[in-house]
Amino acid sequence: EADIYQTPRYLVIGTGKKITLECSQTMGHDKMYWYQQDPGMELHLIHYSYGVNSTEKGDLSSESTVSRIRTEHFPLTLESARPSHTSQYLCASSSGWGYGYTFGSGTRLTVV
Amino acid sequence: DQQVKQNSPSLSVQEGRISILNCDYTNSMFDYFLWYKKYPAEGPTFLISISSIKDKNEDGRFTVFLNKSAKHLSLHIVPSQPGDSAVYFCAASSQGGGADGLTFGKGTHLIIQP
Repeated sequence: EADIYQTPRYLVIGTGKKITLECSQTMGHDKMYWYQQDPGMELHLIHYSYGVNSTEKGDLSSESTVSRIRTEHFPLTLESARPSHTSQYLCASSSGWGYGYTFGSGTRLTVV
Repeated sequence: DQQVKQNSPSLSVQEGRISILNCDYTNSMFDYFLWYKKYPAEGPTFLISISSIKDKNEDGRFTVFLNKSAKHLSLHIVPSQPGDSAVYFCAASSQGGGADGLTFGKGTHLIIQP
């Protein structure tokens, strides 16, 4: 039973389109994260949030943006998708240090 | 500069035997370590963790060992089962570090052979 939900699971979209990847959690966690992973590579942190109205960029530079208007919701938006954005995007939440993360199932994005 | 390194991209182990996955880290500020398991097209799932005040943590078939002086940790799976075939990620964090974010290794693909 998933407590963190990502939609869509798979998305194929044309270059230049605007897309929003959804992430919601029901655990009341303050901290939420977006990671990007290419096949065979490590997960790279691209955005994180400490709570409502808090958003920060992660270690890996990304052209995406995020918002945190509600505790449970942390959507990621690409204003103009490009083939270089093709990747798997993983959302996670945490109650803090020492508790690890709960990950969503991920969104596999393909930009053609 | 990779702070968490998993130097074996893949590992093949016979069913019933012990699987040992290794992880090295370079940042001495890391004080909490985790292992995640990931199936294709799914998100990682938490497996087991260890804080730097311990050198061993056990949960069923899974044991994690931490050697702080060597900056090395390992995950032991005994006995290995077919369902253990997956990619295993080592991750590390430091209390008070930015965002409490986890730094991940590249993963090791474990293949359990019948």
